[in-house]
Amino acid sequence: GNSVTQMEGPVTLSEEAFLTINCTYTATGYPSLFWYVQYPGEGLQLLLKATKADDKGSNKGFEATYRKETTSFHLEKGSVQVSDSAVYFCALSESSGSARQLTFGSGTQLTVLP
Amino acid sequence: SQTIHQWPATLVQPVGSPLSLECTVEGTSNPNLYWYRQAAGRGLQLLFYSVGIGQISSEVPQNLSASRPQDRQFILSSKKLLLSDSGFYLCAWGLGTDTQYFGPGTRLTVL
Repeated sequence: GNSVTQMEGPVTLSEEAFLTINCTYTATGYPSLFWYVQYPGEGLQLLLKATKADDKGSNKGFEATYRKETTSFHLEKGSVQVSDSAVYFCALSESSGSARQLTFGSGTQLTVLP
Repeated sequence: SQTIHQWPATLVQPVGSPLSLECTVEGTSNPNLYWYRQAAGRGLQLLFYSVGIGQISSEVPQNLSASRPQDRQFILSSKKLLLSDSGFYLCAWGLGTDTQYFGPGTRLTVL
């Protein structure tokens, strides 16, 4: 079956540091890939997505590129802020009948210190 | 624009008591609806999804059930809660494309 593997957390960075959160996937077909962010006590918010190989998703300074050859979708940001502290989830979609199902990674806790 | 609501926001229930969590979506028609559970410190587990009124698919056998009495209403229920049912329950909607949009969640504590 499909699966998503994220780098182990927690990750602690100083403000303005470079961020990379690794994500690799296993899929039988050609899934779409997502990053979601969860702030404390809240639901998940879509951060960015990519639907085919070599697509780059970007939002709020975050970027991730769909790499089919390495089955990866690593999240990057050039300069993190304290407000970026949250849990980040990598996910892929698969079709099941007429519904799309998401398979999530285990999440990576990011803490940014001032 | 579309919005998704969940209630209650938090709930504390004794073991063996019933459960009813509600999710409603506004601003769209015939969405796919999903229930996920997030246990403490863990990822998300898909519990149920629905592609239409009265159509429920279960992903994990358990003592929970789901119903969709109206197009934009999705209910998660249990007749008797277990300690292991504690967690953060998230409802999501999608329109047959890949993207799912999540509600604010319900924090359930079973004592």
